[in-house]
Amino acid sequence: AQTVTQSQPEMSVQEAETVTLSCTYDTSESDYYLFWYKQPPSRQMILVIRQEAYKQQNATENRFSVNFQKAAKSFSLKISDSQLGDAAMYFCAYSRGRVATDKLIFGTGTRLQVFP
Amino acid sequence: EAQVTQNPRYLITVTGKKLTVTCSQNMNHEYMSWYRQDPGLGLRQIYYSMNVEVTDKGDVPEGYKVSRKEKRNFPLILESPSPNQTSLYFCASSPSGTGSTDTQYFGPGTRLTVL
Repeated sequence: AQTVTQSQPEMSVQEAETVTLSCTYDTSESDYYLFWYKQPPSRQMILVIRQEAYKQQNATENRFSVNFQKAAKSFSLKISDSQLGDAAMYFCAYSRGRVATDKLIFGTGTRLQVFP
Repeated sequence: EAQVTQNPRYLITVTGKKLTVTCSQNMNHEYMSWYRQDPGLGLRQIYYSMNVEVTDKGDVPEGYKVSRKEKRNFPLILESPSPNQTSLYFCASSPSGTGSTDTQYFGPGTRLTVL
């Protein structure tokens, strides 16, 4: 069975600094997708970034980038130039590829605090 | 505006009193699903639906029912709620399911407390 592990329950960063959130996963599949979702205090689930496993290039969305290490089954999220609005719970998630009925498997989340 | 709506947003109820949480999407998506979020457990899938009249169990279906009579609606039914169903519930939809590059759109969440 596929699993997603986020080993950092809480992280903190100073405004304008860089922070990296860790995520590891376990799967025997070769085709899959990985995601980072942000959940601010409003509780809305917001997709931050997505990575297709077959792509070697790391995904980037503005200040957010990932370090995807397929062999190590690691998928960390780097937030550059952190802003107060980045404070939220961040979830790493996995889904199998080419299986339309499959679900998102989430990690337990990392709460990020941003200090001015 | 493309969105997934859920109602109610907050609900406090008592054990055994049947309730329904509605979910509606305006994007003509085929795939819809329900998740529950609990502290320390992340989100776990309850049920999903690939299309009208097609539903199937997720990881934690016990105590829940769903129906998909219309493409846009996917209500979650708790026939006899119990305190262990106190949780934050999310409805999600996507054009064709998670096994693709489709983005999952999440509703705003429903905070349910069962006393």
